[in-house]
Amino acid sequence: KQEVTQIPAALSVPEGENLVLNCSFTDSAIYNLQWFRRDPGKGLTSLLLIQSSQREQTSGRLNASLDKSSGRSTLYIAASQPGDSATYLCAVEINMLTFGGGTRLMVKP
Amino acid sequence: DTAVSQTPKYLVTQMGNDKSIKCEQNLGHDTMYWYKQDSKKFLKIMFSYNNKELIINETVPNRFSPKSPDKAHLNLHINSLELGDSAVYFCASSQDFRQNTGELFFGEGSRLTVL
Repeated sequence: KQEVTQIPAALSVPEGENLVLNCSFTDSAIYNLQWFRRDPGKGLTSLLLIQSSQREQTSGRLNASLDKSSGRSTLYIAASQPGDSATYLCAVEINMLTFGGGTRLMVKP
Repeated sequence: DTAVSQTPKYLVTQMGNDKSIKCEQNLGHDTMYWYKQDSKKFLKIMFSYNNKELIINETVPNRFSPKSPDKAHLNLHINSLELGDSAVYFCASSQDFRQNTGELFFGEGSRLTVL
């Protein structure tokens, strides 16, 4: 059974810092991995999708990497801003989508 | 315009009642999903429909019955509600589940509280 773990569970940083969120999964036979953000009172927003054949994806200040063999993904956020404050979720897909518990990020002005 | 919309956002009801949560997507996607967020904040899939056909039916009680009148709608009906049904339920859609490449678009969630 696929298990997805995210570390840390919560993170508080001053504005401008670069940061890394970690995601690990137990079954490496995935189709893809996605990173989402969830804002209070809102639905999930897809940030980046990495296909199983890819190693990384970039969107603006966000960079996500995927190492299938070790069952790990990282989300790198450059020059963090208060607007980045949210809960970040990673999810892996085989025949279903399995989410991690999320990392709650607070970026302080 | 909201891409995936769920109603109601909040629902408080008594044990034993029957309730429905509606979901609509205006993205033209073929596949829709229902997820339940458990007490540990994990999102677990319950059902998936592709073009009105059931394709994923995870182990959920028979009291839960999805209905898809057309590919833009996937409603979740719950009979004889129990305390353990209290959770946040998320609807989602994607272009085509068979591609396994599509991003998921989620609704805002519906918080169900059973008293």
